This record gives sequence, C-alpha cells and structure tokens, in this order.
Amino acid sequence: GAGVSQSPSNKVTEKGKDVELRCDPISGHTALYWYRQSLGQGLEFLIYFQGNSAPDKSGLPSDRFSAERTGGSVSTLTIQRTQQEDSAVYLCASSSPSSGEGEKLFFGSGTQLSVL
Amino acid sequence: SQQGEEDPQALSIQEGENATMNCSYKTSINNLQWYRQNSGRGLVHLILIRSNEREKHSGRLRVTLDTSKKSSSLLITASRAADTASYFCATDAGSNYKLTFGKGTLLTVNP
Repeated sequence: GAGVSQSPSNKVTEKGKDVELRCDPISGHTALYWYRQSLGQGLEFLIYFQGNSAPDKSGLPSDRFSAERTGGSVSTLTIQRTQQEDSAVYLCASSSPSSGEGEKLFFGSGTQLSVL
Repeated sequence: SQQGEEDPQALSIQEGENATMNCSYKTSINNLQWYRQNSGRGLVHLILIRSNEREKHSGRLRVTLDTSKKSSSLLITASRAADTASYFCATDAGSNYKLTFGKGTLLTVNP
C-alpha cells in the first residue's frame, strides 16, 4: 500500500478482554515498530521486527503483551486481559534500513484503545 | 527516563512569527530526527540531522545540533495556522534502529 495501515482505528473493550491490533507496513519495508502513546505523553517503544531476525521485545510492559509478524509483512499486537492503564494510542511504523533513508520511520494513523 | 526532552511543552504564537523548539538528550547519538503529529495520531518525519552536522534546512524548517551540549533546536519560520501540531524530537541513543521520543512541544499558531 501507499502508507502504513492500522486497524481498527478505534477499539473500545471491557477490562479483562483480549484485543488484537493490526499493522500493515509499507510494501518492501523490512523493519516494523510498535509504539504506545498515552494521553499527552511521548512515544513509548514496545517492540521491533527486522526481517527474519529475532524481534527486540525489550519495551513490552508485561507478559500480557505480545506481537508477531507473519511472512515479514503484517504484524499483530495482542494485549491479553486488558487493564484500564492499557488505554492509549498504539502506533505502528515501518522503515527500510537498506535504503538511503533507513533511519526514517513512516507511521500509521494508530489505534486508539479504550479499556472501560 | 526520556532520552529526548522538548522545551517548551507548549508554545502559542501569531501567524507569520517564527517558532523555536528545543530538544535536549542524554547519551551519544548517531542522528536526531524531528517529527510532527497532528491531532494525536500518526507522526510525520520532518528532518534528520546527523551527529557530524551542525545545521540543516528544509523549506521553512531549520534544525541545529550541538553535540557538546547534547541539544537541538527546530526553527519554523513565517509560521502558518496549518503548522499547529505537536513536534517531537527522536534520538537513536547509539542504537542502529531504536528511536526514543520526547514528550513533544505543542505548537499553536493563531491566525
């Protein structure tokens, strides 16, 4: 696609439910990131995928959070047993490390997650 | 703690004025980037400056980098109402892939 696509754009769920957030990166981008942004805050790094390498999961806040990337393209971020503090905008970004602009991230519009 | 911290947290100016935002960081970097965010959603890359560069221009944007002071500034000249947004600096803190973002400066340009 032309840009990074995230779905759903908004998700309202009840505390304790599981949610899945999807990210479709720019075609050909081998690097994929998930960030979380709480209201009025900066971006918090969650996880990084690059090609077939083991992902950097160092930013995942708890074992309720997991992410996978299938076929080196689409990624799904799963939050199990959601808590109210999980409410935030979840942003996905991709980049092309092999290009001349490898450090530049292209962001999706995010998923606004609200846990009631 | 945040690697990059923007200052001020909020800035309100009149259309046509210049806007200056600052970013300070803690550890050595390979490069520093500035991003813009409208309405709390996706970020858009504005400009990247490498650690061996001191100044860079892109249209109405001017970025400076002082590695001895671990600080950067973003200047937007002749601001427009459409420049209203949050602006974030992001540093790699020596990593070759992980960007760390500050909390941003909310810029409001009044018509």
